[in-house]
Amino acid sequence: SQQGEEDPQALSIQEGENATMNCSYKTSINNLQWYRQNSGRGLVHLILIRSNEREKHSGRLRVTLDTSKKSSSLLITASRAADTASYFCATDAEAGGTSYGKLTFGQGTILTVHP
Amino acid sequence: GAGVSQTPSNKVTEKGKYVELRCDPISGHTALYWYRQSLGQGPEFLIYFQGTGAADDSGLPNDRFFAVRPEGSVSTLKIQRTERGDSAVYLCASSAQGPPGRQYFGPGTRLTVT
Repeated sequence: SQQGEEDPQALSIQEGENATMNCSYKTSINNLQWYRQNSGRGLVHLILIRSNEREKHSGRLRVTLDTSKKSSSLLITASRAADTASYFCATDAEAGGTSYGKLTFGQGTILTVHP
Repeated sequence: GAGVSQTPSNKVTEKGKYVELRCDPISGHTALYWYRQSLGQGPEFLIYFQGTGAADDSGLPNDRFFAVRPEGSVSTLKIQRTERGDSAVYLCASSAQGPPGRQYFGPGTRLTVT
């Protein structure tokens, strides 16, 4: 079963605009990761945020994590047509401080950036 | 450097047949993961190896599915008596040390059972 709920399911924007995707989860986590997927094939890792971190940046990406609300958001600034893809959050759950190792993915957000 | 590779990239088989899907992890990565992704869904965990042993096989849907990693490198996912519901993209990932941490994914094998 999938832990994450992502919203929106689909997002359509113009080049230059910002895109925000949200992810909620249910269990305690060691970390949360965001991935991008083009054409339903290989996943590209974007960013990892640990449970004791609240915000992280990488280039045009900004990720926030609120463990009290069990939610995360991914912001892509100044979007480009090449950002068109599906975006997934994945949680690395833990118990007693030990990571389970397996990632639990949300259903994803399909982002379309129009030139 | 070489990433995770998976073969074949596409596999079409008839219902009831046996299939093997191969994963070559990044050299030196001790942890290897298999996931399955159905159309329009996120990947779902199947099994995780640390070295040669399966550390967690809780995601395997039933006993038709089996995976091995005999030498701690290449892994093979084996599916017996395939069913149409097994059609999906099967993704393999590896990581340097095991959890927690970043997983590097291969391009996947698209399995179609007719």
